[in-house]
Amino acid sequence: AQSVTQPDIHITVSEGASLELRCNYSYGATPYLFWYVQSPGQGLQLLLKYFSGDTLVQGIKGFEAEFKRSQSSFNLRKPSVHWSDAAEYFCAVGAEGGSYIPTFGRGTSLIVHP
Amino acid sequence: NAGVTQTPKFRVLKTGQSMTLLCAQDMNHEYMYWYRQDPGMGLRLIHYSVGEGTTAKGEVPDGYNVSRLKKQNFLLGLESAAPSQTSVYFCASRPPGQLYNEQFFGPGTRLTVL
Repeated sequence: AQSVTQPDIHITVSEGASLELRCNYSYGATPYLFWYVQSPGQGLQLLLKYFSGDTLVQGIKGFEAEFKRSQSSFNLRKPSVHWSDAAEYFCAVGAEGGSYIPTFGRGTSLIVHP
Repeated sequence: NAGVTQTPKFRVLKTGQSMTLLCAQDMNHEYMYWYRQDPGMGLRLIHYSVGEGTTAKGEVPDGYNVSRLKKQNFLLGLESAAPSQTSVYFCASRPPGQLYNEQFFGPGTRLTVL
């Protein structure tokens, strides 16, 4: 069965610092991987996704993620964090077979200090 | 396009009362989902639907019922609310076809059961 692990429950960074949020997955075949962001009081919004091709994926708001098959990872990065990036971040892996039910990680809460 | 909308945004119930949460999407998506989000638990799937007139149980279906009478609407019902159902509820929709199609989320309904 597929699974997603986000090892960090909370991450605190200073504004302007770089950011890396970790995501590890377990999946039987070629994974389809997603990062979503949830701003306070809002629903989830897609940041980026990987399904084939270049393993470095660019997303919205200056985020990128790198798919590393050998490490079963899909870490999210941003070179310089802004205060508005404070949010909850969810990694998800696409469904196996035809169930169309993705599996979500438990989320990482990003706190940004001025 | 409004995307995915949820009604109501907030609700307070007493134990034993019933209510229905409405999710509507105007993107002609086949798949729709209901999740609940609790602190530290991430997103947990309650029920989902792969098309008009069809529904299926997710990870935590007990105490909830759903209906998908129209393609654009997915209703979540609580027949007899319990304090354990205090949560934030999110609806999502997704187009059919590729497993790398992302989900589109509504803004959420915050439910408190006293």
